[in-house]
Amino acid sequence: DAGVIQSPRHEVTEMGQEVTLRCKPISGHDYLFWYRQTMMRGLELLIYFNNNVPIDDSGMPEDRFSAKMPNASFSTLKIQPSEPRDSAVYFCASSLGVGYTEAFFGQGTRLTVV
Amino acid sequence: AQSVSQHNHHVILSEAASLELGCNYSYGGTVNLFWYVQYPGQHLQLLLKYFSGDPLVKGIKGFEAEFIKSKFSFNLRKPSVQWSDTAEYFCAVGTAGNKLTFGGGTRVLVKP
Repeated sequence: DAGVIQSPRHEVTEMGQEVTLRCKPISGHDYLFWYRQTMMRGLELLIYFNNNVPIDDSGMPEDRFSAKMPNASFSTLKIQPSEPRDSAVYFCASSLGVGYTEAFFGQGTRLTVV
Repeated sequence: AQSVSQHNHHVILSEAASLELGCNYSYGGTVNLFWYVQYPGQHLQLLLKYFSGDPLVKGIKGFEAEFIKSKFSFNLRKPSVQWSDTAEYFCAVGTAGNKLTFGGGTRVLVKP
């Protein structure tokens, strides 16, 4: 398996623009997580899904952030409108079913909002 | 809600020195425990994990960790570090519902 695949690897955008980050989890994994990593706040869990259903979105910073998982092999994290403080590395991770909480991480998307 | 605390934000040591990174968590139920490593510019990779059984677990690259349930701790150790161990280390707790919560991370710099 190729592992968790994220795209793009780098994104530079202007403030106010919409940004969409993409993730393909490992085939067969039931859980998908979106994390944000910054120097100031470390690694924060934004939202996670189980069988394509959002389970906990309490980490989503505000309404400008939204995440979807239309099927088992694809998820998006959207920021609209983007702001400079959204600049961070966004990681997607996936894990197997209940009781197997080891998460496998993608390479991350480095987002810069100018 | 669960939380994970890593006591040291930065650690600097010389090659061949021993390393111990502290991790404490707060959660009243059953947990799975992990240490992840992030090398500069890379994604997180699993070092080791504890699900049940022997509280002393061994991972890759000579790392080990000990789960002490009474202290809610899961400290990471390596007897002799190498320059290539320079990285950021994250402790994580997996709880009910498969939620995985990370500590703030510890940046380790090994001087050659």
